[in-house]
Amino acid sequence: GENVEQHPSTLSVQEGDSAVIKCTYSDSASNYFPWYKQELGKRPQLIIDIRSNVGEKKDQRIAVTLNKTAKHFSLHITETQPEDSAVYFCAASKGVEGNEKLTFGTGTRLTIIP
Amino acid sequence: DGGITQSPKYLFRKEGQNVTLSCEQNLNHDAMYWYRQDPGQGLRLIYYSQIVNDFQKGDIAEGYSVSREKKESFPLTVTSAQKNPTAFYLCASSPTRVSNEQFFGPGTRLTVL
Repeated sequence: GENVEQHPSTLSVQEGDSAVIKCTYSDSASNYFPWYKQELGKRPQLIIDIRSNVGEKKDQRIAVTLNKTAKHFSLHITETQPEDSAVYFCAASKGVEGNEKLTFGTGTRLTIIP
Repeated sequence: DGGITQSPKYLFRKEGQNVTLSCEQNLNHDAMYWYRQDPGQGLRLIYYSQIVNDFQKGDIAEGYSVSREKKESFPLTVTSAQKNPTAFYLCASSPTRVSNEQFFGPGTRLTVL
């Protein structure tokens, strides 16, 4: 089955700096890669996702890049703010054409230092 | 997210007792999922169901059981066979044919004493 590895497990950055979280996946058939944010005591929520037919996607301060050849994808957060402090999970899936279940990474606890 | 609910928020049970966690959604989503969340281990899939009256084991199904008799409901039973049941349990749903996005419930924290 799919295996998703996520690094680092914890990350601290100064407010205003950028943060990067990286994930690798094992199944070359995976074609959908979402990122979820879980604030303390709250449920995970989708913040951005990317499909295998594109290499990069941006949404304001958040971007995701995908390297299908190397089977890795990354989350980039620019101009970090205190409200970005949370646990971030990457995931991979074969999408609607196959098994839709998501395989999650182990999470990255991001702390923004004021 | 308000369309998917879990109850109760906190649950305490004695060792050896079965316990059922509720998950309901009014989003008309086809698929529903149960995850277990432990510190440092991310979200691990227990069971999932893509249509009514059908479900599949996830990565850590041992000691758990589910049913999907109605589209809106996907209860999870934690049986006495589950060796380490104390955890945070998250239910999610997804429209699948329209989107892969999963919408999560607020979670149930189960503590076995």
